[in-house]
Amino acid sequence: AQSVSQHNHHVILSEAASLELGCNYSYGGTVNLFWYVQYPGQHLQLLLKYFSGDPLVKGIKGFEAEFIKSKFSFNLRKPSVQWSDTAEYFCASSSQDTGRRALTFGSGTRLQVQP
Amino acid sequence: NAGVTQTPKFQVLKTGQSMTLQCAQDMNHNSMYWYRQDPGMGLRLIYYSASEGTTDKGEVPNGYNVSRLNKREFSLRLESAAPSQTSVYFCASSDSSGSYNEQFFGPGTRLTVL
Repeated sequence: AQSVSQHNHHVILSEAASLELGCNYSYGGTVNLFWYVQYPGQHLQLLLKYFSGDPLVKGIKGFEAEFIKSKFSFNLRKPSVQWSDTAEYFCASSSQDTGRRALTFGSGTRLQVQP
Repeated sequence: NAGVTQTPKFQVLKTGQSMTLQCAQDMNHNSMYWYRQDPGMGLRLIYYSASEGTTDKGEVPNGYNVSRLNKREFSLRLESAAPSQTSVYFCASSDSSGSYNEQFFGPGTRLTVL
């Protein structure tokens, strides 16, 4: 069974600070990896996704993530956060090897950016 | 193009009451999903439907039933609500053809069971 771990549960940063949120997945086969963001009171929106190819993936709003297969990691980064990045961030995975397409989510990281 | 819609947005039930959460998508997606979101636990899969006419259990199916009414609609039913089912429920859909499965989420239903 797949599992996804997000080690940072709550992160507080000042505006302009750099961000890195950790994500590790457990599945040994071929995976799809995602980062979703949930702004307060809103539904989940896709930030970026990795299916294959270049392990450095760029998403919306200046976010990027790097897939490191040897470390089973897919960490999210942003060079300079803004107050509007305050949200909860979820890492998720799914298998390319099976017919089941459902996502396995991490527990989420709450990011608070202080002005 | 509304994407994924859910009704109702909020609901309060008493223990033992029943209700159905409705979900519809207009993206012609084959697959649909129901998740619940609880603090500190991320989203957990309740049921999913890979295609019209099929449904399968997810990680936390107990206490729920689902119906894939047609390609557009996927409902979640609580037959006898319990306080442990207090949660935010999200419906999602994806195009399951190929290896990719980016999922699109609805706005959620916040359910409180007293």
